[in-house]
Formats: sequence, C-alpha cells, structure tokens
Amino acid sequence: ETGVTQTPRHLVMGMTNKKSLKCEQHLGHNAMYWYKQSAKKPLELMFVYNFKEQTENNSVPSRFSPECPNSSHLFLHLHTLQPEDSALYLCASSQAGPKTHEQYFGPGTRLTVT
Amino acid sequence: GNSVTQMEGPVTLSEEAFLTINCTYTATGYPSLFWYVQYPGEGLQLLLKATKADDKGSNKGFEATYRKETTSFHLEKGSVQVSDSAVYFCALSALGGGDMRFGAGTRLTVKP
Repeated sequence: ETGVTQTPRHLVMGMTNKKSLKCEQHLGHNAMYWYKQSAKKPLELMFVYNFKEQTENNSVPSRFSPECPNSSHLFLHLHTLQPEDSALYLCASSQAGPKTHEQYFGPGTRLTVT
Repeated sequence: GNSVTQMEGPVTLSEEAFLTINCTYTATGYPSLFWYVQYPGEGLQLLLKATKADDKGSNKGFEATYRKETTSFHLEKGSVQVSDSAVYFCALSALGGGDMRFGAGTRLTVKP
C-alpha cells in the first residue's frame, strides 16, 4: 500500500449505530487530519494530530470522537449521528513542524446516515 | 485570519480551450500556496505548489504563479482535455500543520 488509505470507502449507518472510520498513511508523516466535505460547502477541518497529540478540534460535536494510536493510524469513531452528518470524510497527512508542508489525502469514506 | 477566495463555478469549456481559475488570498506572513484537484469519487490530489513570491508551480500542463503584489495564485492551462474535468481547490498554509485553508472549489467540465 502506498499513500493514504481509508476504510471503508462507503458506509451507511442508522442514527443509533456506532461505527469507526480508519485511515492509514504510508508516507512517514507525523501529522494527520480529518476533514468533512459536504455538498456545496467548503472543506471543513475537524481534527488535527501532530505526533499523536490532538492539537486542533474545530468545534466538532462530541458524537465524533477521534483516536490516533500512532503516527500512521487515525480513527474517527461515530455514534448517534444525525442525517446532516452525511458527507465525504477525508483523511490527510503531512510532515509536522513550523515549515509549511502540503497535505496528502486519502480517497475518503462516503458516509450516509439514515 | 488567513483565507482563500476562488472563482465560483461551474466552468464549462470545450476541449483544447484555455483555462483560467482565479484565486486570491489573505494571509499574514509568507504563506505557501497550493492547487489541489479532486476527480469524481476520489480524495484531493496535490496538483502544484509555490512556496515564495514569483515562484511558478507547474504540473501536467497546469501552471500558477505566486503573485505577492496582487495576492493571487491563478491556475492556468493552455489546452484542456476531457480528462481535466474535476473540482479544483486553491489552498494556502502559513504556519504548517493544521493551518491549511482551502477555497470553496471550482468545478470544471470539459466537453469534447
């Protein structure tokens, strides 16, 4: 595997379900990100992890819970979601540090909440 | 705060037409600038970047020049192909890490 991978690619869940999204990067990066992409809205940064430590949480509802067990893996745990949470969830990674670095994205998980 | 504004789409062109997608930015300091492309059903892919004023990023026939005086980073291609149909995002990063800011995206459709 190369680059950034995400599983599953598609997920349909009811509002009472609990599920998790997984992201893995094979680029040797030490920063990872979750983004939400909804139709007709700009890309929304949800969470940032640098060296496994969460450094940013952009007012994301508690029904989204991130986990970063190591610098290569990132999870997004989902529970009691709402229909408006249906979106494409993108994971990205980059080098961390004071210099600017481009981010590399996975293919995304298309989430539908019924 | 830092932000990016790009031209609203959608943009529809015929094959071999010239493409320009405008992008302007607001930032403190000296940001790096990026163009990303998103093909249907996929994530964002880095298309090109420029890290300082007057730099020109280029890739796959696309070009963009970092213009500090006009705070712009317009994307251009001399002759588009049907396979260029996608959504294009302008972005900037001034501090690294989670500071990347994306524009709203411009959908390009190229017709044969």
